[in-house]
Amino acid sequence: DTAVSQTPKYLVTQMGNDKSIKCEQNLGHDTMYWYKQDSKKFLKIMFSYNNKELIINETVPNRFSPKSPDKAHLNLHINSLELGDSAVYFCASSQVGIGELFFGEGSRLTVL
Amino acid sequence: AQKITQTQPGMFVQEKEAVTLDCTYDTSDPSYGLFWYKQPSSGEMIFLIYQGSYDQQNATEGRYSLNFQKARKSANLVISASQLGDSAMYFCAMRVDTGFQKLVFGTGTRLLVSP
Repeated sequence: DTAVSQTPKYLVTQMGNDKSIKCEQNLGHDTMYWYKQDSKKFLKIMFSYNNKELIINETVPNRFSPKSPDKAHLNLHINSLELGDSAVYFCASSQVGIGELFFGEGSRLTVL
Repeated sequence: AQKITQTQPGMFVQEKEAVTLDCTYDTSDPSYGLFWYKQPSSGEMIFLIYQGSYDQQNATEGRYSLNFQKARKSANLVISASQLGDSAMYFCAMRVDTGFQKLVFGTGTRLLVSP
């Protein structure tokens, strides 16, 4: 049973389209995150939700809209995709305390 | 501002030798945590080891140990007896507690283990 699963694993789309990535965790964690890994492998936090409430929004363009229907799910919707959005998007979850992140496998988005 | 610095973009080591990957951090918070993650070419992020700022002893997990030098603000990862499967990107990260927890990552070090 995968602890943090995200779908799809790969997305290839044209500029201007809209796409969504879904994430689910079965670890019972209260906090979920979206991280973006760019082509230079740099990992940067985008959003964090705690018990369905948005708690961190790291100045991400508002074309990116996260949604957490419950504390086990965190989705990411991206409007009007741009070339610069091409990256690997990682979902992760953690529990307050040590704060170790449990990552999903990543979703590689390619915008043409 | 909290920051993690990894100054080695790439490192080479021969199989069975030990290697040290450098990590320095900057924070004014007395309570923080330091992590190392491994990212093989398949892309997943694998947690390796954790060190809390109040931990007296250096963390160890199998062949991984964390050389924690608080005064120097460094948290180097030592991999003993390198194996070919250790070839990967390695990320140092720091837990930041500014009301809400998040991990801030360094730029990573690519380790190549040769036979």
